[in-house]
Amino acid sequence: AQRVTQPEKLLSVFKGAPVELKCNYSYSGSPELFWYVQYSRQRLQLLLRHISRESIKGFTADLNKGETSFHLKKPFAQEEDSAMYYCALKGLGGNTGKLIFGQGTTLQVKP
Amino acid sequence: NAGVTQTPKFQVLKTGQSMTLQCAQDMNHNSMYWYRQDPGMGLRLIYYSASEGTTDKGEVPNGYNVSRLNKREFSLRLESAAPSQTSVYFCASSETYRGTWPQHFGDGTRLSIL
Repeated sequence: AQRVTQPEKLLSVFKGAPVELKCNYSYSGSPELFWYVQYSRQRLQLLLRHISRESIKGFTADLNKGETSFHLKKPFAQEEDSAMYYCALKGLGGNTGKLIFGQGTTLQVKP
Repeated sequence: NAGVTQTPKFQVLKTGQSMTLQCAQDMNHNSMYWYRQDPGMGLRLIYYSASEGTTDKGEVPNGYNVSRLNKREFSLRLESAAPSQTSVYFCASSETYRGTWPQHFGDGTRLSIL
């Protein structure tokens, strides 16, 4: 079965501290994974996708097939990073674009 | 540059009432989706439309119906609203003809069923 698990509902860190938002997945093929972010009073938007291997707003995420993980990391958290973060997996079933989302993690960066 | 537009933004219904949530996108995307967002549950797919003229059930379709009116519009209907359908509903669209591209989301509709 395809599943995305984000074990932490809430992650609270101080400004300047490193951040790691955990994401684990179960998938039988080659996964395609995404991180989406929802800032307060804004719509959900794409943060990054693993095939791009990019860094957005200082965040990076590496796909670890051995551990079936796609953790989101940032070395120094900023207050403006406070938001809800969702990990998502492209679902099976052809090219429908369906995504399976995790439960979400609220990141709270304290001053 | 509207992207995905959802109406209404807020709605309160009584149990048993019906309601249609509207969604329109101006990006010429072929695929559209309806999700519900509940605390601790993340986003769960209700229905999706891979292309104009097709619709399919997602993870939690019971109690809902959808219509892909044309390429731009994808509506979600609650025929007989129940308190368990109190949620925030998000519409999204994406281009999927050439690979899977990111989904673009609307602002959401906050729906309360009393």
